[in-house]
Amino acid sequence: AQTVTQSQPEMSVQEAETVTLSCTYDTSESDYYLFWYKQPPSRQMILVIRQEAYKQQNATENRFSVNFQKAAKSFSLKISDSQLGDAAMYFCAYYYNFNKFYFGSGTKLNVKP
Amino acid sequence: GAVVSQHPSWVICKSGTSVKIECRSLDFQATTMFWYRQFPKQSLMLMATSNEGSKATYEQGVEKDKFLINHASLTLSTLTVTSAHPEDSSFYICSAREDAGGGTEAFFGQGTRLTVV
Repeated sequence: AQTVTQSQPEMSVQEAETVTLSCTYDTSESDYYLFWYKQPPSRQMILVIRQEAYKQQNATENRFSVNFQKAAKSFSLKISDSQLGDAAMYFCAYYYNFNKFYFGSGTKLNVKP
Repeated sequence: GAVVSQHPSWVICKSGTSVKIECRSLDFQATTMFWYRQFPKQSLMLMATSNEGSKATYEQGVEKDKFLINHASLTLSTLTVTSAHPEDSSFYICSAREDAGGGTEAFFGQGTRLTVV
């Protein structure tokens, strides 16, 4: 069964600094998708970044980048130059073959001014 | 990006009544939509997968007679909480998977906060 684990319930970062959120997953599949979603206080889920498992290159979206380690089944999110607006819950998610999305338990990110 | 509209954003109802929540994909077709429930400070718990033109697939432990799902068109799915009780109070979120482009991304509605009094 697919499981997604986020081992950091809460993290804090100073404004303008860099922070890395961890995510590991379990799967026997070779072709799948991984996502990071952000949920601010408004509770609207916002896609931050996605990674296709068949791509070796790590995805990057402006200040957000991932470290995708397929063999280790690890998918961490790095936020550079953290901003106050980055404060939110972050959920890692796994998706395979037109199936459902599996979400991790979430990491609450605090950004200190 | 694609937009999913969920309505209402919040609702208060009396115990024993039914409440309908709508999820619409505004600018794309979605054969599949998902309904989630989220408790405070917790992750999204998948309740059911809604498929256009067929019966929804419910996750284990979710009462299908209590949480009625109808996916009558490619842009609309509804979740009806029947005979609501205070323990049904929660945040409900829908998401829609875009059919075009391989359907590998889900877009989320803004959620509905249900309070049963």
